[in-house]
Amino acid sequence: EIVLTQSPATLSLSPGERATLSCRASQSVGTYLAWYQHKLGQAPRLLIYDASNRATGIPARFSGSGSGTGFTLTISSLEPEDFAVYYCQQRSNWPSLAFGGGTKVEIK
Amino acid sequence: QVQLVQSGPEVRKPGASVKVSCKASGYTFINYPINWVRQAPGQGLEWMGWISLYNDNIHYAQKLQGRLTMTTDTSTNTVYMELRSLRSDDTAVYYCARDPSMVKGIITTFGYGLDVWGQGTTVTVSS
Repeated sequence: EIVLTQSPATLSLSPGERATLSCRASQSVGTYLAWYQHKLGQAPRLLIYDASNRATGIPARFSGSGSGTGFTLTISSLEPEDFAVYYCQQRSNWPSLAFGGGTKVEIK
Repeated sequence: QVQLVQSGPEVRKPGASVKVSCKASGYTFINYPINWVRQAPGQGLEWMGWISLYNDNIHYAQKLQGRLTMTTDTSTNTVYMELRSLRSDDTAVYYCARDPSMVKGIITTFGYGLDVWGQGTTVTVSS
């Protein structure tokens, strides 16, 4: 079973700052990785698929990179609505999927 | 517009069962599989299972095998998730989500995430 480890657990930043979130896989998942944003009381929102492709309607300030075991989600300049929890998700054993533990981006 | 609408909150006693519905609209229902994902209080997201509406293939998370059943009603574009022998640690918000990794029975990419989600259904298990 491939485990995804996200770091840091919490990221405290101010609006306008750059956010860099990490997701590390215990074994290679190629580029079969997605990122989600999750706000309290709402459904998760797909941001990035195939490691680096933005989903429909996602602003350009969100970008994903990486392959194999190391992945990064970057938010170039945080907007007030970007403070949320972010999850990575891998699908190396399709159709099963698994999520990382999440990174909370909070207002400093 | 494309949407998934889930049934309302449920309260059950330990040992009981719960059945949550997920009704699709705005797209061709059978073309895309549906996943179920849950989030317990203070915890992360947990994948529960996957059902292909095109060819009736089903995969359940190993930890839920034997307690979880997913079914469909194509006449109403609805997917159902039934969880039996409920325990207190089944208390969670349950989500259905559309899966574009397969369209009309053909895999598109393994790296596709879940692109449309239901609003969530709170299931509380308490004596």
